[in-house]
Amino acid sequence: AQSVTQLGSHVSVSEGALVLLRCNYSSSVPPYLFWYVQYPNQGLQLLLKYTSAATLVKGINGFEAEFKKSETSFHLTKPSAHMSDAAEYFCAVSLHLNAGNMLTFGGGTRLMVKP
Amino acid sequence: NAGVTQTPKFRILKIGQSMTLQCTQDMNHNYMYWYRQDPGMGLKLIYYSVGAGITDKGEVPNGYNVSRSTTEDFPLRLELAAPSQTSVYFCASSTRTSGATDTQYFGPGTRLTVL
Repeated sequence: AQSVTQLGSHVSVSEGALVLLRCNYSSSVPPYLFWYVQYPNQGLQLLLKYTSAATLVKGINGFEAEFKKSETSFHLTKPSAHMSDAAEYFCAVSLHLNAGNMLTFGGGTRLMVKP
Repeated sequence: NAGVTQTPKFRILKIGQSMTLQCTQDMNHNYMYWYRQDPGMGLKLIYYSVGAGITDKGEVPNGYNVSRSTTEDFPLRLELAAPSQTSVYFCASSTRTSGATDTQYFGPGTRLTVL
């Protein structure tokens, strides 16, 4: 079985401040991990994914995440928050089905950016 | 590119009514998925399909049915709507490149309320 925990359902930062969104996973096999972003009234959009090629993964819009096996974590960071980063962020772990790909999502973290 | 499209955007049902949520993708993806997102929760997989004519249950399939007669379309059927099915429904699709690391592309969602 696999699961994802996102610590903090709401995170508030000031514009220009560091963004840190936490994700811890549980998986019985080597995990593949994803971060998705959801803007208001829109579907989910892939930010980045860990596929075991490199532990530090760079994504779109200046975000990056580091896979730490010893800590079972995949935290999302951005050095300087922008107002346009305000959205909900989901961490997910992938289970390869017979011929598909099932994502197990965390509960999400809503990021608020203050001017 | 249209990507993944879903109709309707919003719907209110009475208890016991039935409806079909439509999902179409124009990316020639083999795999399609239906998720539901409850308030404050991550997405949960309802059903998925690995190709035309092939479907399988996900984590929360009770109360739903699906069919996949073409590569492009993957409708989700609610036969007897219940208040517990009030949720936002997302359709997604992916193509098989590496299995567990495949990126899923999401539609904008259908917000369903059952009263």
